[in-house]
Amino acid sequence: GDSVTQMEGPVTLSEEAFLTINCTYTATGYPSLFWYVQYPGEGLQLLLKATKADDKGSNKGFEATYRKETTSFHLEKGSVQVSDSAVYFCARSGGSYIPTFGRGTSLIVHP
Amino acid sequence: DVKVTQSSRYLVKRTGEKVFLECVQDMDHENMFWYRQDPGLGLRLIYFSYDVKMKEKGDIPEGYSVSREKKERFSLILESASTNQTSMYLCAISPSPDAAYEQYFGPGTRLTVT
Repeated sequence: GDSVTQMEGPVTLSEEAFLTINCTYTATGYPSLFWYVQYPGEGLQLLLKATKADDKGSNKGFEATYRKETTSFHLEKGSVQVSDSAVYFCARSGGSYIPTFGRGTSLIVHP
Repeated sequence: DVKVTQSSRYLVKRTGEKVFLECVQDMDHENMFWYRQDPGLGLRLIYFSYDVKMKEKGDIPEGYSVSREKKERFSLILESASTNQTSMYLCAISPSPDAAYEQYFGPGTRLTVT
């Protein structure tokens, strides 16, 4: 079945460091790809998405490019802030109504 | 702005109690979902509904049931709560049967069963 694999955390960085969180997905069909963010004590919210190969999603300084050849959708940010500390989930659209989520990667940013 | 509300942020119940978690949306979306979130396991789908009175089992439906009598409201029911149902419960909605659309989540209910 469909699956999404993302790097295990926690990822610990200093403020202003470069961030990459890796995400790969199974290549069945033509999925849309998503990154969600969950701040402490809250539900998930959409961070960015891409609907076809080579699309780049971007929001709040975060970017991810839909790479069909490597089945990847890695999340990047050039300079993280303490306020970016959260759990990040990669997801792909699936059959019927159901998306598939990765297990989440915790990001901790120190001042 | 999409608004998904859940009836409680924190809930403490005793083993064997019947527990109701309610989710209400203000967007007239067809699809509604219930997930539980546990450390190291990510999100696991319990049930979803694509229309009023329609429901489908997700990956872990055992010990749970759902009710959708009105389009805007989707309830998760724990018939007899057990300690292994202590978890964060998240409700989500999406606008269309096309899963290419993103989901919108409520703030979550952290349930503790003692």
